[in-house]
Amino acid sequence: QVQLQESGPGLVKPSQTLSLTCTVSGGSISSGSLYWSWIRQPAGKRLEWIGRIYASGSTSYNPSLKSRVTISLDTSKNQFSLKMTSVTAADTAVYYCARYDFWGGGRHDYWGQGTLVTVSS
Amino acid sequence: DIVLTQTPLSSPVTLGQPASISCRSSQSLVHGDGNTYLSWLHLRPGQPPRLLIYKISNRFSGVPDRFSGSGAGTDFTLKISRVEAEDVGVYYCSQATQPPYTFGQGTKLEIK
Repeated sequence: QVQLQESGPGLVKPSQTLSLTCTVSGGSISSGSLYWSWIRQPAGKRLEWIGRIYASGSTSYNPSLKSRVTISLDTSKNQFSLKMTSVTAADTAVYYCARYDFWGGGRHDYWGQGTLVTVSS
Repeated sequence: DIVLTQTPLSSPVTLGQPASISCRSSQSLVHGDGNTYLSWLHLRPGQPPRLLIYKISNRFSGVPDRFSGSGAGTDFTLKISRVEAEDVGVYYCSQATQPPYTFGQGTKLEIK
């Protein structure tokens, strides 16, 4: 059973960098055909896809966030990470990591529990 | 970006009765490869989001057969044949046909 778990600071100051890590268990992050996504949900709003990384390391980002976001892989730890620079209160949200299986049907099939990140001084 | 609009936003349902949620897309979700990458997710507080349906009508592993999906092009529906207590929460449609992937605004299912 594939499981994902987000970790990182729950409080980030405005203008600083948000950093989160997703640890994957029950499967290898290096498996071909799989992508790994970050998705967030501000309170009272819809889910927003942030971006994804392929097992090869290639990335794709939401244009609305692309200038501030970097997603990377650490295959030795079976983890992938999110960095978001110059955060503001608008970045306060529950952040989820998820597995995206394109060849299995274009689906985000396994998700982490989510972690709340608050941007405040 | 593709905009997904769900109706209703709230659905009070009696246990054992059916429920239906609609999702309309601002443009066709048919991918160039012929597939339609429309999924349905279920969110409950304190639990990871759960994939229910992918590619319009395919139930994900472990999803009860009381859940079904249908539709084509721009109009899609999630149906629950007989609502159970564990089905409460918020349901989202999601498209992965065209990046950036997008989600509906959610439909809250509650028991009357």
